[in-house]
Amino acid sequence: QVQLVESGGGVVQPGESLRLSCAASGFIFRNYGMHWVRQTPGKGLEWVAVISHSGHTQYYADSVKGRFTISRDNSKNTLYLQLNSLRAEDTAVFYCAKEPAEYSSSWYYQSWGQGTLVTVSS
Amino acid sequence: EIVLTQSPGTLSLSPGERATLSCRASQTISANLAWYQQKPGQAPRLLIYGASTRAIGIPDRFSGSGSATDFTLTISRLEPEDFAVYYCHQYVTSPPTFGPGTKVDIK
Repeated sequence: QVQLVESGGGVVQPGESLRLSCAASGFIFRNYGMHWVRQTPGKGLEWVAVISHSGHTQYYADSVKGRFTISRDNSKNTLYLQLNSLRAEDTAVFYCAKEPAEYSSSWYYQSWGQGTLVTVSS
Repeated sequence: EIVLTQSPGTLSLSPGERATLSCRASQTISANLAWYQQKPGQAPRLLIYGASTRAIGIPDRFSGSGSATDFTLTISRLEPEDFAVYYCHQYVTSPPTFGPGTKVDIK
């Protein structure tokens, strides 16, 4: 069955960086677009970024554009999110999420990981 | 950005009762709406996509309806495991956005 396992979260100071990973299994990873979505108690669920199945196309939320970078290694079945210039308001649980169909452009999420907590605090 | 508004914020019901949750979009989204269930400490779980299609493994007591700007998630008879937070999510345009959620708790 589909499994998505995030890692890499932690406590960092404002301005610092972090790299999140999402290890995928149970499906043909290279055929699916993948997303990062974050959740905070205050702002709820917020879409962060998407990467196409090939990795050639990425889109970002305005709130993270220029600071976060989504990437993938299809040979390792792993999705990444590089978080730079972190701010207190980036504190959230970050989820990776899988699109519903191969080569699709439907941005709803059939499967989610368990999430990894990023805390930005001085 | 399309804003989703959910009502009510909290719904207090007893097991066996019917739950009706609403989601309204700030502009038309056709049927590009999904519903998720989230329990404490867990990731969201897809219930409905395309406004009315149940995801794999979702019991038929869950149903979705609506189009354009007004949508409804109905739980026909609440089971104990259905008490949770429910989010709607539009994916017609970027950025995809989520509603603030409706908490269904035990009366």
